[in-house]
Amino acid sequence: QKEVEQNSGPLSVPEGAIASLNCTYSDRGSQSFFWYRQYSGKSPELIMFIYSNGDKEDGRFTAQLNKASQYVSLLIRDSQPSDSATYLCALSIYGNNRLAFGKGNQVVVIP
Amino acid sequence: DVKVTQSSRYLVKRTGEKVFLECVQDMDHENMFWYRQDPGLGLRLIYFSYDVKMKEKGDIPEGYSVSREKKERFSLILESASTNQTSMYLCASSLLMGQETQYFGPGTRLLVL
Repeated sequence: QKEVEQNSGPLSVPEGAIASLNCTYSDRGSQSFFWYRQYSGKSPELIMFIYSNGDKEDGRFTAQLNKASQYVSLLIRDSQPSDSATYLCALSIYGNNRLAFGKGNQVVVIP
Repeated sequence: DVKVTQSSRYLVKRTGEKVFLECVQDMDHENMFWYRQDPGLGLRLIYFSYDVKMKEKGDIPEGYSVSREKKERFSLILESASTNQTSMYLCASSLLMGQETQYFGPGTRLLVL
């Protein structure tokens, strides 16, 4: 199993709906979890990070972490066309300077 | 705000040429990274550096080398460019171990003919 899995295909959501993205990971030593947004042709930009089990909210974005089940998710409420992008999940492992990235999920918000 | 800059946004080179990609960060970050990103393959780590003159291989170091002579600057070198090195190259930096949030530069789209 790869370190970080983002298995869903492109996600189409109507404007105003909730977009839900999931990410699973294999290493229980994973410490910190990150969500990046990447617009087509641009570089990834950090949306939010989460360290502890539970929910973390930042504006319209909510990250949810469940270390027992080894998944982290991202909810985008009131989706806007400007949310159309690829979302990358990443994690760090204790004692390692690197981040492991998933391949990303494309989100398309339909006006 | 953290700022990571890359020397070129677009670059066209010929097969066999030596190519230098430069990355500069202005936030005194310890760690710097070079990735390439290709459709369907995601981000792949080429090399990273956790200190001046220190480097570690990532997942795909073959055909590349790096240099970090100053803390703020991390260079990626393609000794003899090949067509399969056509890609988007992304530089990133992070503060230090335990503060792993990475900040990315704008990327360099390299085309090798």
